[in-house]
Amino acid sequence: DTAVSQTPKYLVTQMGNDKSIKCEQNLGHDTMYWYKQDSKKFLKIMFSYNNKELIINETVPNRFSPKSPDKAHLNLHINSLELGDSAVYFCASSPYGYRDNEQFFGPGTRLTVL
Amino acid sequence: GQQLNQNPQSMFIQEGEDVSMNCTSSSIFNTWLWYKQDPGEGPVLLIALYKAGELTSNGRLTAQFGITRKDSFLNISASIPSDVGIYFCAGRPTNAGKSTFGDGTTLTVKP
Repeated sequence: DTAVSQTPKYLVTQMGNDKSIKCEQNLGHDTMYWYKQDSKKFLKIMFSYNNKELIINETVPNRFSPKSPDKAHLNLHINSLELGDSAVYFCASSPYGYRDNEQFFGPGTRLTVL
Repeated sequence: GQQLNQNPQSMFIQEGEDVSMNCTSSSIFNTWLWYKQDPGEGPVLLIALYKAGELTSNGRLTAQFGITRKDSFLNISASIPSDVGIYFCAGRPTNAGKSTFGDGTTLTVKP
């Protein structure tokens, strides 16, 4: 069973479109994250949710909006896609307590904006 | 945000060689973690460290939480081709609630 899953795996779209990426974790974790990995492989945190509540919101354009319908799901919606949004987006989750930095990552969604 | 300096940026080694990499920060950290990212996949946690001076092994991998609490080290012994990937350090500073990631060390192992 996949612990952290993301859909889709690949997403190719035109500039200006709106798209969503979905993430689900079956680990019972309280915290979920979205990261962006650029072409240089740098991993940058975008958002973090704890029990459906936003706790980290890094400097990310407001075209990006996370939504957490329940603590097992954290979706990422992107409006008006731009060329610079092309990257791999990773969802992750972590447990509650002192081990809350031990993150489990999904397989990634490669977004290509044309 | 917090800056983590990871060295080296990349390594090209022969199969069987040992590997050392490190991560440094200007701030004191209370947690250090090491992840490995295989090509086309998400990072996977290798080792988590919670105490200054702590030395923890996971198979051929050994990581240490530096005594100054401003650095951490990862060693891989007797490298094999499947060790190829990007190794990320991550740490949580004492004055912040979230981890920050280093820029990664890309390891290439030549058979």
